[in-house]
Amino acid sequence: AQSVTQPDIHITVSEGASLELRCNYSYGATPYLFWYVQSPGQGLQLLLKYFSGDTLVQGIKGFEAEFKRSQSSFNLRKPSVHWSDAAEYFCAVGGTSNTGKLIFGQGTTLQVKP
Amino acid sequence: DAMVIQNPRYQVTQFGKPVTLSCSQTLNHNVMYWYQQKSSQAPKLLFHYYDKDFNNEADTPDNFQSRRPNTSFCFLDIRSPGLGDAAMYLCATSRGTGFSSSNQPQHFGDGTRLSIL
Repeated sequence: AQSVTQPDIHITVSEGASLELRCNYSYGATPYLFWYVQSPGQGLQLLLKYFSGDTLVQGIKGFEAEFKRSQSSFNLRKPSVHWSDAAEYFCAVGGTSNTGKLIFGQGTTLQVKP
Repeated sequence: DAMVIQNPRYQVTQFGKPVTLSCSQTLNHNVMYWYQQKSSQAPKLLFHYYDKDFNNEADTPDNFQSRRPNTSFCFLDIRSPGLGDAAMYLCATSRGTGFSSSNQPQHFGDGTRLSIL
């Protein structure tokens, strides 16, 4: 069965430090991968997506993610974190049906220290 | 700007009193989804519409129903809310391509937070 694992439930980084959020997926075919961010009391906003091609994808707000098929991973990175990046981050995999249904990871809560 | 709009943002209802949440979109997407999200959890898909075709998730309680009168609007009806139904309800849309929609990102509204008294 398809699944998405985000090993880190909660991460705290200092403002200006680099960030990496981990995501591992289990899926037999080529996955469609997404990262979403959710600020408190808000909906989910798409940060970036990977379908094919270049395995390093750029997203909004200075985020990037790298698809590594050999490791079944799609980790999210940012070189320098801002206080406004504090939020919940969800990794998701599509491609499981033709209806666009997503399978979400459990999420990682990012706290940013001043 | 094209968007997904959910009303109201906050809804309070009484135990057992039917409640309806609404979602509208200006993206002209043919797929609409309803999710339930409880605190510190991932969104859980309840059901979705592909055009007019309704697709219920196997574990969605019968207490939850949905209507989609046209492309732009979709409603979530909770017939007899229980305390366990208190949650954030998220509406999302995506573009169905007919062959495969799985590479299309979903666009989310800001959600309706439902409280049960």
